[in-house]
Amino acid sequence: AQSVAQPEDQVNVAEGNPLTVKCTYSVSGNPYLFWYVQYPNRGLQFLLKYITGDNLVKGSYGFEAEFNKSQTSFHLKKPSALVSDSALYFCAVKVYGNNRLAFGKGNQVVVIP
Amino acid sequence: DAGVTQSPTHLIKTRGQQVTLRCSPISGHKSVSWYQQVLGQGPQFIFQYYEKEERGRGNFPDRFSARQFPNYSSELNVNALLLGDSALYLCASSLEAGSAAEEQYFGPGTRLTVT
Repeated sequence: AQSVAQPEDQVNVAEGNPLTVKCTYSVSGNPYLFWYVQYPNRGLQFLLKYITGDNLVKGSYGFEAEFNKSQTSFHLKKPSALVSDSALYFCAVKVYGNNRLAFGKGNQVVVIP
Repeated sequence: DAGVTQSPTHLIKTRGQQVTLRCSPISGHKSVSWYQQVLGQGPQFIFQYYEKEERGRGNFPDRFSARQFPNYSSELNVNALLLGDSALYLCASSLEAGSAAEEQYFGPGTRLTVT
């Protein structure tokens, strides 16, 4: 079975400071990893994905994520957080041949002005 | 281009009733997946459909069913509603069904409240 853990419920960061949202995964086989963001009363918006290749993946709105196979992690990062980045962030995983996403419980990010 | 659309936006039903939720995928996308998001949790996979055929089913009771139409739109039906069915129901579309590398694009969801 595939699963994702997002250990922190909420991440607070000051505007302009670096933002990191943590994610670890558990799969049998090679993982395909995704980050989505959800604003209040909205659906999920795709940010970025890791399939293969470079461990550092760049995505939308200045976000990037680093894949670490030995630590089974896929942490989301942004060098300088904006107040508008305040939202709910979900990490998700798929495995080869299976198109169903397995999501973590989500992390609420609060960027303080 | 229009994204994934879902209707209705909100819905209030009584226990025991039945509900139908609708989804239109992005133009050109042939696969639709349904997810249930209970407050405070991540979305849980319910169904995937591709070319009108069920390609996957999550751990949900038989009260949940779905179908896909020739135009690739989809309906999710839930019978004999329980209070625990209250959730945001998300529809996601993708080009194909079998590529795990492909991202899914989500609609705004239907908020179902069961009283």
